[in-house]
Amino acid sequence: EAGVTQSPTHLIKTRGQQATLRCSPISGHTSVYWYQQALGLGLQFLLWYDEGEERNRGNFPPRFSGRQFPNYSSELNVNALELEDSALYLCASSLSPTGRVYEQYFGPGTRLTVT
Amino acid sequence: DQQVKQNSPSLSVQEGRISILNCDYTNSMFDYFLWYKKYPAEGPTFLISISSIKDKNEDGRFTVFLNKSAKHLSLHIVPSQPGDSAVYFCAASGADRDDKIIFGKGTRLHILP
Repeated sequence: EAGVTQSPTHLIKTRGQQATLRCSPISGHTSVYWYQQALGLGLQFLLWYDEGEERNRGNFPPRFSGRQFPNYSSELNVNALELEDSALYLCASSLSPTGRVYEQYFGPGTRLTVT
Repeated sequence: DQQVKQNSPSLSVQEGRISILNCDYTNSMFDYFLWYKKYPAEGPTFLISISSIKDKNEDGRFTVFLNKSAKHLSLHIVPSQPGDSAVYFCAASGADRDDKIIFGKGTRLHILP
């Protein structure tokens, strides 16, 4: 069974540009989560999509946005890039949380570097 | 405001001994706790979880203990093996279906030969 996949692996952008990161969940998973892992800050929750709708959002400015497509894949868009947006962006997927199944399966991440 | 805290950035343990990773939380509404393990250049992988109705959950070499009154949980690895060297993240979530999972900053575990 294929795991969560993310593309691209690495992305280099300059300040002010826009970045688009992509994620394909495990087959059968309908929830997709985005996290940012910046240096020294651990994993910070960004966005959660479930069945095409935004379920929850972390404390990030509106220039961080995303969407989930009918096939449950997802895109994270970061507009007006700033230097501090440089981080590893992780996508995770899970079965819709019915009951107590919270385990999220993570992809390998996209390393975004803003220069 | 850091709701999930892992106060030890790193920990070194001799191979074969017990590794104990600690985690504190501040939000008494957290209902479910998880530990993830992360190797370099890979995403975190789920390790073990515990519901707030339990105080212990065991899975092979891994045991998680939950002390609700102290808002503290710990992960015990016995015996520690070289492949256990990784970053371990503690995470917590509320009971609401839409509650997000809050992660700690992680503890880097080094298993010494």
